[in-house]
Amino acid sequence: DQQVKQNSPSLSVQEGRISILNCDYTNSMFDYFLWYKKYPAEGPTFLISISSIKDKNEDGRFTVFLNKSAKHLSLHIVPSQPGDSAVYFCAASVEGAQKLVFGQGTRLTINP
Amino acid sequence: DAGVTQSPTHLIKTRGQQVTLRCSPKSGHDTVSWYQQALGQGPQFIFQYYEEEERQRGNFPDRFSGHQFPNYSSELNVNALLLGDSALYLCASSSPGGYTDTQYFGPGTRLTVL
Repeated sequence: DQQVKQNSPSLSVQEGRISILNCDYTNSMFDYFLWYKKYPAEGPTFLISISSIKDKNEDGRFTVFLNKSAKHLSLHIVPSQPGDSAVYFCAASVEGAQKLVFGQGTRLTINP
Repeated sequence: DAGVTQSPTHLIKTRGQQVTLRCSPKSGHDTVSWYQQALGQGPQFIFQYYEEEERQRGNFPDRFSGHQFPNYSSELNVNALLLGDSALYLCASSSPGGYTDTQYFGPGTRLTVL
């Protein structure tokens, strides 16, 4: 049972444009969401998070949007840079559990 | 500030053998979680250790066991290795205090079972 889904295995975006990565979840108990970026041969690096009491959180070029009614979150990267090319994972957890449930990942490629 | 470290980087074992993977948490963190990442998949939660005890466990068989030491470092042990145990094993550390604590990951140990 895949509780967190990233339905796009890959995404290609032109440098300078906006990258939008999507994530859907099925467990309504999830109340904390995170995005991680992963380069080859490295562990996931934390990017940005959002709790269920908010619908938007920004950190520099990265913005995460949460739509609780649709059980959907998205990560916007503006402007996209070549160094953003990596695999992006969304993850979710239930308060107090600290166990992260990950999606399958989306490979983002930024073209010059 | 030292991040999460893991050893070894790579490991090759044969079916039926046992393996031990090691993790040192980020400075100031006392909670360690282990994840298994199969090729093309997202990480899957194995278990979490806090105060030297297993606090949570994912859907993994008893062949997977762990330990946390007084200095907060941790070991993951896998017995009777199967081909399907080949994966990247990730360690993550965090500090207690609620669900908003972010987990920080190490570089992982790549285990190959032949």
